[in-house]
Amino acid sequence: KAGVTQTPRYLIKTRGQQVTLSCSPISGHRSVSWYQQTPGQGLQFLFEYFSETQRNKGNFPGRFSGRQFSNSRSEMNVSTLELGDSALYLCASSLYGTYGPNEKLFFGSGTQLSVL
Amino acid sequence: AQKVTQAQTEISVVEKEDVTLDCVYETRDTTYYLFWYKQPPSGELVFLIRRNSFDEQNEISGRYSWNFQKSTSSFNFTITASQVVDSAVYFCALSEAKITGGGNKLTFGTGTQLKVEL
Repeated sequence: KAGVTQTPRYLIKTRGQQVTLSCSPISGHRSVSWYQQTPGQGLQFLFEYFSETQRNKGNFPGRFSGRQFSNSRSEMNVSTLELGDSALYLCASSLYGTYGPNEKLFFGSGTQLSVL
Repeated sequence: AQKVTQAQTEISVVEKEDVTLDCVYETRDTTYYLFWYKQPPSGELVFLIRRNSFDEQNEISGRYSWNFQKSTSSFNFTITASQVVDSAVYFCALSEAKITGGGNKLTFGTGTQLKVEL
């Protein structure tokens, strides 16, 4: 069974540009969530989608947005990039995102975004 | 608000030594879930264990064991007979138990860098 797939693996952008990151969850998983990882702030929750609806959102500015498609694949968009957006962006998937007794959250390898 | 503290920033051990990674959490929820993840240099967070707050049994999986103590809000992770392949950053995380509405949201600790040397 294929794991969570994130593309691209690396991205280099300049300030002011926008970027779109892609995430394909494990087959059958309907919940997709996104996390930002930086040396200074650690791992922080961005948002979570289920059945194309955003159900939970972290404390990030509106420049960070996402969406989920009917096949559960998700994209994350960051507009007007700032230097501080340089980070590893991790996507995670689970069956329903409700944390039933045995539900687990699986992560992809991430997209390393560098803003110059 | 939820909070996870991993006070050990970095630990270095020699192969075959036992090592314990500490995790202390704060939450007002009566039901919650605790996790440990391993992050090797490749970047992917590898799931190790999930523990429900209402289940205080300790768990052992091979060389790994976990000690959950609700009274002290701790969920410590021990690696027995450590190996070089165990070198990675280990994260402890906490999630509220939402019965409805869903919305996975993990609160992570800052991680512990474990270095196992020959």
